[in-house]
Amino acid sequence: DTGVSQNPRHKITKRGQNVTFRCDPISEHNRLYWYRQTLGQGPEFLTYFQNEAQLEKSRLLSDRFSAERPKGSFSTLEIQRTEQGDSAMYLCASSSDRFPLHFGNGTRLTVT
Amino acid sequence: AQRVTQPEKLLSVFKGAPVELKCNYSYSGSPELFWYVQYSRQRLQLLLRHISRESIKGFTADLNKGETSFHLKKPFAQEEDSAMYYCALRSGETSGSRLTFGEGTQLTVNP
Repeated sequence: DTGVSQNPRHKITKRGQNVTFRCDPISEHNRLYWYRQTLGQGPEFLTYFQNEAQLEKSRLLSDRFSAERPKGSFSTLEIQRTEQGDSAMYLCASSSDRFPLHFGNGTRLTVT
Repeated sequence: AQRVTQPEKLLSVFKGAPVELKCNYSYSGSPELFWYVQYSRQRLQLLLRHISRESIKGFTADLNKGETSFHLKKPFAQEEDSAMYYCALRSGETSGSRLTFGEGTQLTVNP
């Protein structure tokens, strides 16, 4: 499968713990996006990279959230001191130039 | 600010009936509009984009700048069209900028 890959598929954690998700984009795509989706809502933009540069961050991305794309390939999204409100599906997408976004299957986070 | 509105959370039709999923947007510039679809237990995938002006799986959508709408239509719905549909907008001026999604419409096509 040469699509966008996200790991893990599911993560259950206790409130206050840190979690990290990984996204491997389609190899020739230089742009990578993170979105969050809660039940009954459409995906909400979190942040966007072009190569290794983080070009845009949403106000939704609090200080507890950090994303990296160190070599312009895979990306990680870390949430520190998780809260129950962080429970959601975290989606990664990639694209090249003005082509549409291709999404991964997402990581479902449950904070207990 | 850019905003996408999908007024119907749920839409149910019978097989063979026409279907229209509504999408309205607000954006002051020149937008690109998309429809994404998510079938049960599958990833979100692109259905069509307005600049392609193509028909995918029998679906079409026309950008109406006067009414700021991008409704998705299909003349004869099929059971396999049952899915979640999201309308999305991207700034046409900024290459690579983010998509803004609507809240989605769950389409159910009954036999």
